Amino acid sequence: DTGVSQNPRHKITKRGQNVTFRCDPISEHNRLYWYRQTLGQGPEFLTYFQNEAQLEKSRLLSDRFSAERPKGSFSTLEIQRTEQGDSAMYLCASRPGRQGPYEQYFGPGTRLTVT
Amino acid sequence: AQSVTQLDSQVPVFEEAPVELRCNYSSSVSVYLFWYVQYPNQGLQLLLKYLSGSTLVESINGFEAEFNKSQTSFHLRKPSVHISDTAEYFCAVSRSEKLVFGKGTKLTVNP
Repeated sequence: DTGVSQNPRHKITKRGQNVTFRCDPISEHNRLYWYRQTLGQGPEFLTYFQNEAQLEKSRLLSDRFSAERPKGSFSTLEIQRTEQGDSAMYLCASRPGRQGPYEQYFGPGTRLTVT
Repeated sequence: AQSVTQLDSQVPVFEEAPVELRCNYSSSVSVYLFWYVQYPNQGLQLLLKYLSGSTLVESINGFEAEFNKSQTSFHLRKPSVHISDTAEYFCAVSRSEKLVFGKGTKLTVNP
């Protein structure tokens, strides 16, 4: 069990650029989640996958955001035409596919700064 | 919809003192409750959870939380804190796949 990993850990970009983040969940965890955490706030749910299927998206996920999990393993989160308001920590979590309220295991996050 | 209120944004305490971090939630249905801890530059780690059964749940490092349905609360307590407990603590509720978090409480333990 190597834990959830996220890359890059930090990303600085200029407004209007596109960025992509990667999340590698714990092996054999078929559920994967993305959250966003802004300064002074708790994490907010963005979206989640069961295997390769994206089953729920928050209204926070505007049209500029897209997430994929093409083979049911790693996931990517892309933000197009970044805005300063996108500056935040993007957290990924995963959990086993068993039914029930099992805990989600979080990665270290990717901190995005939009200048 | 669920919501979580953490009443204190910052809690400073001295080492070996007791501490209570307060969490209240709002939900029209029964929920599962969690406390996560976030150390600087790290991801969130589960501290403890309430799913059902005994209303008092404990963690391996001395924290405990009590589920109070009538007061819709899930306060976190530790009888004697250490410097190493300095971190941000998040209360969260869940009824479906997503976790709904409070804004967090920064616990600072001073020598």
